[in-house]
Amino acid sequence: QSALTQPPSVSGSPGQSVTISCTGTSSDVGSYNRVSWYQQPPGTAPKLMIYEVSNRPSGVPDRFSGSKSGNTASLTISGLQAEDEADYYCSSYTSSSTFYVFGTGTKVTVL
Amino acid sequence: EVQLVESGGGLVQPGGSLRLSCAASGFTFSSYWMHWVRQAPGKGLVWVSRINSDGSSTSYADSVKGRFTISRDNAKNTLYLQMNSLRAEDTAVYYCARNTRHSFDYWGQGTLVTVSS
Repeated sequence: QSALTQPPSVSGSPGQSVTISCTGTSSDVGSYNRVSWYQQPPGTAPKLMIYEVSNRPSGVPDRFSGSKSGNTASLTISGLQAEDEADYYCSSYTSSSTFYVFGTGTKVTVL
Repeated sequence: EVQLVESGGGLVQPGGSLRLSCAASGFTFSSYWMHWVRQAPGKGLVWVSRINSDGSSTSYADSVKGRFTISRDNAKNTLYLQMNSLRAEDTAVYYCARNTRHSFDYWGQGTLVTVSS
């Protein structure tokens, strides 16, 4: 099971919007609305930001939104803030025996 | 408050064994599937293993199949990962995570496993 493909890095100025893509296959992202997104600042554990493609857990700002089209899911951060600087990972349920696969990770830099 | 606390990591020689533990509190542990996820230094997250709520069903990544065993003790609210025949490429921070709505909603702080001679 190969990792989902994410861009290595994205950047934006405070207040701007950035979008992170997460490309999989018809065996994972394309077949299930079971994509989630995680934020991981340096030296910390991952934190759930989006589940089931577009749902936000309690406490996650509405600046974070998720969507999916075909085999590609996306995370958009609107109104970028300095505290959003972190690594972001997508994950999807997969029909393979491994159950879940993560993305390669994207570093978000606030300029 | 949901808490997951891993322990058991450390330095081990290639071919050696370690058992990781994850103590859960603040929720009904026996109702949730649990997972282990690892992260090699400077690298991304990789799913390792999962166990269903009563411990009757398990799954593993191909890279650890036959060497690692996941288990749980619902009476003790504890998740385990027995790691045998360790290799240098198993060096990573190991996280336990709770599974809900097809996502990992709570994570432990991680425990570092270093495989080196």
